[in-house]
Amino acid sequence: AQSVTQLGSHVSVSEGALVLLRCNYSSSVPPYLFWYVQYPNQGLQLLLKYTSAATLVKGINGFEAEFKKSETSFHLTKPSAHMSDAAEYFCAVSDSVGTGGADGLTFGKGTHLIIQP
Amino acid sequence: DGGITQSPKYLFRKEGQNVTLSCEQNLNHDAMYWYRQDPGQGLRLIYYSQIVNDFQKGDIAEGYSVSREKKESFPLTVTSAQKNPTAFYLCASSTGTSGSGSGELFFGEGSRLTVL
Repeated sequence: AQSVTQLGSHVSVSEGALVLLRCNYSSSVPPYLFWYVQYPNQGLQLLLKYTSAATLVKGINGFEAEFKKSETSFHLTKPSAHMSDAAEYFCAVSDSVGTGGADGLTFGKGTHLIIQP
Repeated sequence: DGGITQSPKYLFRKEGQNVTLSCEQNLNHDAMYWYRQDPGQGLRLIYYSQIVNDFQKGDIAEGYSVSREKKESFPLTVTSAQKNPTAFYLCASSTGTSGSGSGELFFGEGSRLTVL
């Protein structure tokens, strides 16, 4: 069974500071990994995804994530936080490669990112 | 623009009533999903469907029912058997087995159900 652990339900950073949101996964097979962002009372929007190509993945809004197999991690970073980055962030995993990922994704519990002015 | 439409966005229900949440997609995706979101618990899978006229239970299917009569539509019924139905419900779709196989999900804007 696959699972996702996001360390820290709330992370607070100052505007302009580095953003680091942590995600660790467990999977019996090489996974596909995703980061989604959610603004209040809205659906989830894909930030970036890892699908076994380059281990450093660049996404929208200046975010990137690095897949580290040895650490089973997929941490999300952004060099300089902006007020508009305040939102809920979810890490997700799919290891149902044999079915084309059609069984759905397993999500972490989310990290609420707070940006201090 | 292609996307997923959920309705209603807000819904209030009295205890003992069934309610149906609508989900329509025009992305031509084969697979569709329903997730439930509660504060601090992330998203949990209720039901999913990989093809018309077929669907599978997810992790928390008890008290819910679905149908998939058309490729574009995947309505969710929250029955009176669901003991704690107040939550934010998210519908999603993916290309499924006919696509790239990454499992990427595309989400609707969600429906918030409150039981009075």
